[in-house]
Amino acid sequence: DAKTTQPTSMDCAEGRAANLPCNHSTISGNEYVYWYRQIHSQGPQYIIHGLKNNETNEMASLIITEDRKSSTLILPHATLRDTAVYYCIVRVGSQGGSEKLVFGKGTKLTVNP
Amino acid sequence: DSGVTQTPKHLITATGQRVTLRCSPRSGDLSVYWYQQSLDQGLQFLIQYYNGEERAKGNILERFSAQQFPDLHSELNLSSLELGDSALYFCASSVDPSLAQFFGPGTRLTVL
Repeated sequence: DAKTTQPTSMDCAEGRAANLPCNHSTISGNEYVYWYRQIHSQGPQYIIHGLKNNETNEMASLIITEDRKSSTLILPHATLRDTAVYYCIVRVGSQGGSEKLVFGKGTKLTVNP
Repeated sequence: DSGVTQTPKHLITATGQRVTLRCSPRSGDLSVYWYQQSLDQGLQFLIQYYNGEERAKGNILERFSAQQFPDLHSELNLSSLELGDSALYFCASSVDPSLAQFFGPGTRLTVL
């Protein structure tokens, strides 16, 4: 699985958009970008994933660059409850590939009042 | 609530003992994964089962074993416990190994 690079920490004001970047310059054509977050010591929470098109769900938007070497997770209106460690993970989406999730250190996002 | 349940929530035991952690996947999910999260190692994949069969192994110690039962629940057995086994243990499930995994709330194991 490709490695990812994320900033160690970020701050965001409550109510503003939080934009979390991720670099995955060695991503392969069949690898998806997944985002998870972990609030304190709770179980990681799935947020969103995508292959090459931008994706949006009720939690966030995922913007993937055209060359797929980087992506940005956008939380449109951050709240205090969005304070968490955010993990960007690259994983093969088809059977036969590595199905485990390889977690890096992630980005510690702090949403300030 | 992800739909994945884990018991117990907390477990405190002594070195040398053996414990069993239990996981019930989301309804319909055939794949179960176990992960360990310790302070110094972060989240590490241990083992995966799919429809009762072992499918992939990570950095799982020989003292640890797991199985998935016909009703698809899974158990992780940890034996000859050491202080360094103190960690959070998470179970995750997915309907298909190629799709997103959903995590349970975890079991916090403390070995004294």
